[in-house]
Amino acid sequence: QVQVVQSGAEVKKPGASVKVSCKASGYTFTSYGISWVRQAPGQGLEWMGWISAYNGNTNYAQNFQGRVTMTTDTSTSTAYMELRSLRSDDTAMYYCARDGALTAAGTGCYYWGQGTLVTVSS
Amino acid sequence: EIVLTQSPATLSLSPGERATLSCRASQSVSSYLAWYQQKPGQAPRLLIFDASNRATGIPARFSGSGSATDFTLTISSLEPEDFAVYYCQQRSNWPLTFGGGTKVEIK
Repeated sequence: QVQVVQSGAEVKKPGASVKVSCKASGYTFTSYGISWVRQAPGQGLEWMGWISAYNGNTNYAQNFQGRVTMTTDTSTSTAYMELRSLRSDDTAMYYCARDGALTAAGTGCYYWGQGTLVTVSS
Repeated sequence: EIVLTQSPATLSLSPGERATLSCRASQSVSSYLAWYQQKPGQAPRLLIFDASNRATGIPARFSGSGSATDFTLTISSLEPEDFAVYYCQQRSNWPLTFGGGTKVEIK
């Protein structure tokens, strides 16, 4: 069965970086992509970006351009999201979800990770 | 970036009633719109993709309609487990975007 399992909670100081992992199993990793979505406490969903596990292409939300890097390791079926120069308003639950390999059109995110809580505090 | 506006922000209804949620896009997204349900402490759950296609395992009381800029999610008869927050997401153009959400609460 398809599973998407994320790394554990993180506590970081302002200005630091965090790298969250998302390990997929139960399907052919390179036939799909991964989207990253975050949710600040009590707030709505915010799409951060997408990476194709097929060819490594990425698309990032403007809010995160220059501060986020998404990568994949196809040998371990794992996706990573690194966010740099952390601020207190980056405190949020971060989710990964299986997405389309080349496009988001014609699909939806059916499989989600359990979420990784990132807390940024001095 | 395409902006999605969901209305109302909160919908207060009783079990058994019909819920009608709206999602309006700032420009056409064709039929590339998805709906998600989220309960407290849980990851979002895909309900509808491509505006009107139910995801696997989603009950028939959930239906989606619309195209271009105006979309609707309808829950024909609310069950106790349907009280949650619902988000639309456009999947037509990068960057993908979510609406602000509609909370369906028990009246």
